[in-house]
Amino acid sequence: QSVLNQPPSASGTPGQRVTISCSGSSSNIGSNIVNWYQQLPGTAPKLLIYNDNQRPSGVPDRFSGSKSGTSASLGISGLQSEDEADYYCAAWDDRLKGYVFGTGTKVTVL
Amino acid sequence: EVQLVESGGGLVQPGGSLRLSCAASGFTFSSYWMTWVRQAPGKGLEWVANIKEDGNEKYYVGSVKGRFTISRDHAKNSLYLQMNSLRAEDTAVYYCASADCYSCGFDTWGQGTMVTVSS
Repeated sequence: QSVLNQPPSASGTPGQRVTISCSGSSSNIGSNIVNWYQQLPGTAPKLLIYNDNQRPSGVPDRFSGSKSGTSASLGISGLQSEDEADYYCAAWDDRLKGYVFGTGTKVTVL
Repeated sequence: EVQLVESGGGLVQPGGSLRLSCAASGFTFSSYWMTWVRQAPGKGLEWVANIKEDGNEKYYVGSVKGRFTISRDHAKNSLYLQMNSLRAEDTAVYYCASADCYSCGFDTWGQGTMVTVSS
């Protein structure tokens, strides 16, 4: 059972903004950096956001990350069909002494 | 080109063993934390284990402690996962990935190798 909770699904029409929440606790999000991953169907995950709100080279600025207390959010603006994927938040957990992934959110472009 | 290539997956009976390998190229392998992440069919991502650059720190998810061992060989630029006492619930695609630190994002991933535990 994951310690980071995400909504199972999110959707929007092309051009809209979608926000995905990630709820944790003081031992993970509350005290460590949050990273976000995108997994397109049938492919390996890809780092989308690191250090709470930084984008790796090549990731469009339509993707943004934020964190407040023990929760984090991923925003996708100007939604595009190629954004259809599963999205996972993740963070180190000091109590478990391990890395934890969120439950995952499937984004659908209507 | 920065690349990670996993190998060693396959079908194994419950209670059996398997060793996964991950060959790194295109970057200074000895300067990165390395990790194994798995994904059961139709399920989400699960972190399995990671190992510090020098191999002196290792962490495991609770469900594999005492059964799996992560290791690395800098001479071969390779990461390993020795899996013993395998169970049906270990069935998954296993990915290796690299990171700058233990809590950092995994910025390079392999393509994954499938492990199936079944009689």
